[in-house]
Amino acid sequence: NAGVTQTPKFQVLKTGQSMTLQCAQDMNHNSMYWYRQDPGMGLRLIYYSASEGTTDKGEVPNGYNVSRLNKREFSLRLESAAPSQTSVYFCASSGTAVPTEAFFGQGTRLTVV
Amino acid sequence: GIQVEQSPPDLILQEGANSTLRCNFSDSVNNLQWFHQNPWGQLINLFYIPSGTKQNGRLSATTVATERYSLLYISSSQTTDSGVYFCAVPMDSSYKLIFGSGTRLLVRP
Repeated sequence: NAGVTQTPKFQVLKTGQSMTLQCAQDMNHNSMYWYRQDPGMGLRLIYYSASEGTTDKGEVPNGYNVSRLNKREFSLRLESAAPSQTSVYFCASSGTAVPTEAFFGQGTRLTVV
Repeated sequence: GIQVEQSPPDLILQEGANSTLRCNFSDSVNNLQWFHQNPWGQLINLFYIPSGTKQNGRLSATTVATERYSLLYISSSQTTDSGVYFCAVPMDSSYKLIFGSGTRLLVRP
């Protein structure tokens, strides 16, 4: 049982380049999330998807777009990367029955130079 | 929105010592999770504990929802316990988790 899988694990981009971070879960969860973690800080929510076909902004959505491709997959796109987006990105999923438990992927370390 | 505060921010222990980490939150919650982020950056689920007490080996957690805090106990600490411990609670009565800033634990051999 893989849980939540993110690709890639590491990426270096030049300022202005674009890229898509991929996330897939095999736990049949309805909700999926993208967080970023900056050095010495907790995780902050970028976007979430409560169910297939819906997405909504979190605390720090500027500079990002998301796509809930199907129930399993939730991607995060940086259209024009900036150095301020250098961070570790985590994808997570959870069921929608309240209360519920969230599970996280292994993270993507992104550096924008 | 809800605020989450963790204390202490940093903690250094000698192997074998016990410790208590605290998480305070500013509003009532129906969900609280404790995570351990190991030195390789992985987030490991420790406890899902909206209320009451749970134990898993040397770790245990207690949440007193009415008083808006949770405690994580680590007994007989080991070097592998090193890392950052986060608590997280839902934002705005939704499924979205908001994280505290973490407690950074270093266990020395």
